[in-house]
Amino acid sequence: KNQVEQSPQSLIILEGKNCTLQCNYTVSPFSNLRWYKQDTGRGPVSLTIMTFSENTKSNGRYTATLDADTKQSSLHITASQLSDSASYICVVITGYSSASKIIFGSGTRLSIRP
Amino acid sequence: SAVISQKPSRDICQRGTSLTIQCQVDSQVTMMFWYRQQPGQSLTLIATANQGSEATYESGFVIDKFPISRPNLTFSTLTVSNMSPEDSSIYLCSAGTGGDYGYTFGSGTRLTVV
Repeated sequence: KNQVEQSPQSLIILEGKNCTLQCNYTVSPFSNLRWYKQDTGRGPVSLTIMTFSENTKSNGRYTATLDADTKQSSLHITASQLSDSASYICVVITGYSSASKIIFGSGTRLSIRP
Repeated sequence: SAVISQKPSRDICQRGTSLTIQCQVDSQVTMMFWYRQQPGQSLTLIATANQGSEATYESGFVIDKFPISRPNLTFSTLTVSNMSPEDSSIYLCSAGTGGDYGYTFGSGTRLTVV
């Protein structure tokens, strides 16, 4: 069964600190993995997109890693800011083109405290 | 990536009525999807909007309750029919062209049924 599991479910950290969010998946065939940021009441916004051959990808203070062998990904946030408070969703795309399916993780709710 | 305009952004509706949500994309896209996100939950796919033919619904969602139109490659609508309080959710449109992995989300419609 295609599944995407995220941990922790929620996380509270102080402003300026770093944190790492985890994503484990059992999806086949794997096409690509994305991390999205979703502010409360808004649609998800893409942070990174990683294909099978990519190990690390950065977008500003966000760095995503992918280990295709262990089927794990992480999202590292450096020097957190209050605006980082949001849900972070790991999404895995399985299959290709019109046959592709999108598998969502349940998200990690991140709260940044001043 | 495509830019998606979704409206309305929010609405409060009486039970038994219907609401139509519009999704406009700034470029032609192969695939358009409609999702529901209940409070504190991840996204659940309602259906794939197919241009020129009937939408493809996921298990648990039916056309009578969620009729969908997609008259061209840049526009789609989702109607939530005969609403009840259980339909209170965020509804999201997503669009992309499979070849470039460009799955982008609209900003969502927050629906409250009273």
